[in-house]
Amino acid sequence: AQSVTQLGSHVSVSEGALVLLRCNYSSSVPPYLFWYVQYPNQGLQLLLKYTTGATLVKGINGFEAEFKKSETSFHLTKPSAHMSDAAEYFCAVSFAGGYQKVTFGTGTKLQVIP
Amino acid sequence: EAGVVQSPRYKIIEKKQPVAFWCNPISGHNTLYWYRQNLGQGPELLIRYENEEAVDDSQLPKDRFSAERLKGVDSTLKIQPAELGDSAVYLCASSPNLRGRSSYNEQFFGPGTRLTVL
Repeated sequence: AQSVTQLGSHVSVSEGALVLLRCNYSSSVPPYLFWYVQYPNQGLQLLLKYTTGATLVKGINGFEAEFKKSETSFHLTKPSAHMSDAAEYFCAVSFAGGYQKVTFGTGTKLQVIP
Repeated sequence: EAGVVQSPRYKIIEKKQPVAFWCNPISGHNTLYWYRQNLGQGPELLIRYENEEAVDDSQLPKDRFSAERLKGVDSTLKIQPAELGDSAVYLCASSPNLRGRSSYNEQFFGPGTRLTVL
């Protein structure tokens, strides 16, 4: 079975400050890991993904995440928060081998304070 | 390129009434998913279609939920009768054909239908 745990349902940062959203996963096989963003009243949009290869992955809007197998983590970061980053962020896990179900975390709502 | 289209965007009904949601996936996407997203939670898969075939409906409450994708393009999800606990956002997503591929296949999400059952 696979699962993800997102630490902190709400995170507040000041505009220009570092954004760090935490995600830990559980998977019995090498995982595929994703971060999605959901703006109010919209569907989910893929920010970035890790499948194989380089463990530091860069996504859209200046976000990046690092896959750390030893820590079973895939934390999302952005050096400088912008007001437009205020949204809900979901970490998700799947794995290779044809279609595999994607399991989502419970989400972290990011608030950016001016 | 048009994204995944869902309608209606909002629906308010009384309990025990029927309700239906419609989804039109991205053109050429053979795989279609319906998810339910409860307040404060991540999406949970209800059903997945490969073309017109429902290949994973293990999480669909079959006593009151039904879905169809008759021509392998657009899809309808129905609840009859609705219960208070069905209040949620129902998301549709689509992805390109998976056959013969072993790598990741991105899902593209629609804006969802927010259902309120009174």
